[in-house]
Amino acid sequence: DAGVIQSPRHEVTEMGQEVTLRCKPISGHDYLFWYRQTMMRGLELLIYFNNNVPIDDSGMPEDRFSAKMPNASFSTLKIQPSEPRDSAVYFCASSHNRVGYGYTFGSGTRLTVV
Amino acid sequence: KQEVTQIPAALSVPEGENLVLNCSFTDSAIYNLQWFRQDPGKGLTSLLLIQSSQREQTSGRLNASLDKSSGRSTLYIAASQPGDSATYLCAVRLTGNQFYFGTGTSLTVIP
Repeated sequence: DAGVIQSPRHEVTEMGQEVTLRCKPISGHDYLFWYRQTMMRGLELLIYFNNNVPIDDSGMPEDRFSAKMPNASFSTLKIQPSEPRDSAVYFCASSHNRVGYGYTFGSGTRLTVV
Repeated sequence: KQEVTQIPAALSVPEGENLVLNCSFTDSAIYNLQWFRQDPGKGLTSLLLIQSSQREQTSGRLNASLDKSSGRSTLYIAASQPGDSATYLCAVRLTGNQFYFGTGTSLTVIP
């Protein structure tokens, strides 16, 4: 398995533009998580899905952020409109529901909003 | 809510030294605890996963222990090398499938 795949690796966009981040979890994993990492706040859980259904989106900063998981092999995190304070590294991670499983992280998307 | 604390926030040691990183958590009802390594500008790499029923896990020069009753885990690194320089994070998984991360310990191993 190629692991958790995120795209793009880097994204630079102007304030006000729409940004879409993509994630392909490990096949067979039924949990998918979106995290944001900044120097100031560390790793923050934004939202997580179980079997493609959003379970907890309490970490989503505001209505400008939305996430979807249309099927078991694909998820998107969208920011519209983007703001400079959204600049961060966004990580996707997946896990299996079995107790013994931990996280597997993607390589992240570094977002810069100018 | 689970709180995960890692002390120290930063650590600098000479090459060859053995060292211990600490992770403490407030809710002992955990499924497992996972230690990660993060290199600058990179993603998180899983190092060790300890189940709630286990006391320790070992991988090469790394040994992780878990004491649920006291809400503590340690990551022991033997014979440290400059390549071990990175940020180390612990994450606990609760029974509700929530994962909680610590803020990390930034390790520098000086040649």
